[in-house]
Amino acid sequence: GAVVSQHPSWVICKSGTSVKIECRSLDFQATTMFWYRQFPKQSLMLMATSNEGSKATYEQGVEKDKFLINHASLTLSTLTVTSAHPEDSSFYICSARRDRALSAQHFGDGTRLSIL
Amino acid sequence: GDSVTQMEGPVTLSEEAFLTINCTYTATGYPSLFWYVQYPGEGLQLLLKATKADDKGSNKGFEATYRKETTSFHLEKGSVQVSDSAVYFCALTANSGGYQKVTFGIGTKLQVIP
Repeated sequence: GAVVSQHPSWVICKSGTSVKIECRSLDFQATTMFWYRQFPKQSLMLMATSNEGSKATYEQGVEKDKFLINHASLTLSTLTVTSAHPEDSSFYICSARRDRALSAQHFGDGTRLSIL
Repeated sequence: GDSVTQMEGPVTLSEEAFLTINCTYTATGYPSLFWYVQYPGEGLQLLLKATKADDKGSNKGFEATYRKETTSFHLEKGSVQVSDSAVYFCALTANSGGYQKVTFGIGTKLQVIP
């Protein structure tokens, strides 16, 4: 069964609203969580790396104030898309790593975000 | 639901050795299959892909063939280099309500020693 739960799986909202996406590790403590964005017919783009208890590390070109990431506990990271606009419509996927010494990443099912 | 199975590793090889990383999948319909690579400290990069049965994806000396009869997409390279040390993720995309949904394996760490 799934070890990483991502919620919601699909959200449609009006332009200007903020949307929060949750990523939970279900049966392990995740020291590191990753947030990716996929554009249609393109590869995944790493947005940020989130370590529990510290600020997220954003990739170049990703707006920190636009995409707020909070890794509040060892089992939960959230991505908030603030004041979303149609160009933010995309597929967002998170992954969680149990231990920094391990390579395995467990992926969530992803969130399809549609901004009208 | 859709799933991708691959060995976690680590796989440790000497330079110039032959590499195989197995990947099998379950999916409804006709998924596209991918291999992604993650070098230390970096995000995922698309390595190769195949969109239909019997297609062979290739890039940087790596190859994988879409085998529908065995639901597999094994990654191979004839002669690995130290610079190939990374984590390799097998993935598939399938239509889900009109949108492409991505499903990943857990990743296989490859260590190549000189």
